Amino acid sequence: DAGVIQSPRHEVTEMGQEVTLRCKPISGHDYLFWYRQTMMRGLELLIYFNNNVPIDDSGMPEDRFSAKMPNASFSTLKIQPSEPRDSAVYFCASSREGGNIQYFGAGTRLSVL
Amino acid sequence: QKEVEQDPGPLSVPEGAIVSLNCTYSNSAFQYFMWYRQYSRKGPELLMYTYSSGNKEDGRFTAQVDKSSKYISLFIRDSQPSDSATYLCAMRGNYQLIWGAGTKLIIKP
Repeated sequence: DAGVIQSPRHEVTEMGQEVTLRCKPISGHDYLFWYRQTMMRGLELLIYFNNNVPIDDSGMPEDRFSAKMPNASFSTLKIQPSEPRDSAVYFCASSREGGNIQYFGAGTRLSVL
Repeated sequence: QKEVEQDPGPLSVPEGAIVSLNCTYSNSAFQYFMWYRQYSRKGPELLMYTYSSGNKEDGRFTAQVDKSSKYISLFIRDSQPSDSATYLCAMRGNYQLIWGAGTKLIIKP
């Protein structure tokens, strides 16, 4: 199994630009989670899906952030427009049984200049 | 007050020492307790998983849950330089995982 695959691994962009992060979960997993990790705030849950349906997006910081899961094998997290305070590592994770055992991707390191 | 408190460290110990990592929590509804390990520039990976109170052992690692004190621990015996990482506790009641801040552990050769 290839594990959770995220792309790109690194993204450097300028303030105001649109950023799209991508995630391919492990096949057969029906939960998908998007997290953001910073030194100051640690690991924060942004949104999670069950069977491609968004269940809880209360962690999404503001309307500039949106997430979609058009099918069981693909999800995107979009930031538009991006701001320097969005700089962080964004992780995608998937799970088969409700979320205790989550498998994380390698993360996307985002820098907004 | 955060639901889960974890000292961010860093905690630096010599190779071969016994390491104790801890988290406290406030929500008595938590039933599932996990320890994840995160190496630098990698995603977290599950290390130990415990349901309710008690101890669980896996090789050099022991997870301990004391629900009466709302306190969980991870012990690492015979620590190795390869154990150097950030250790995050996570716990769950009915909904999503609540994460600790993570403790950075450094094992000195």
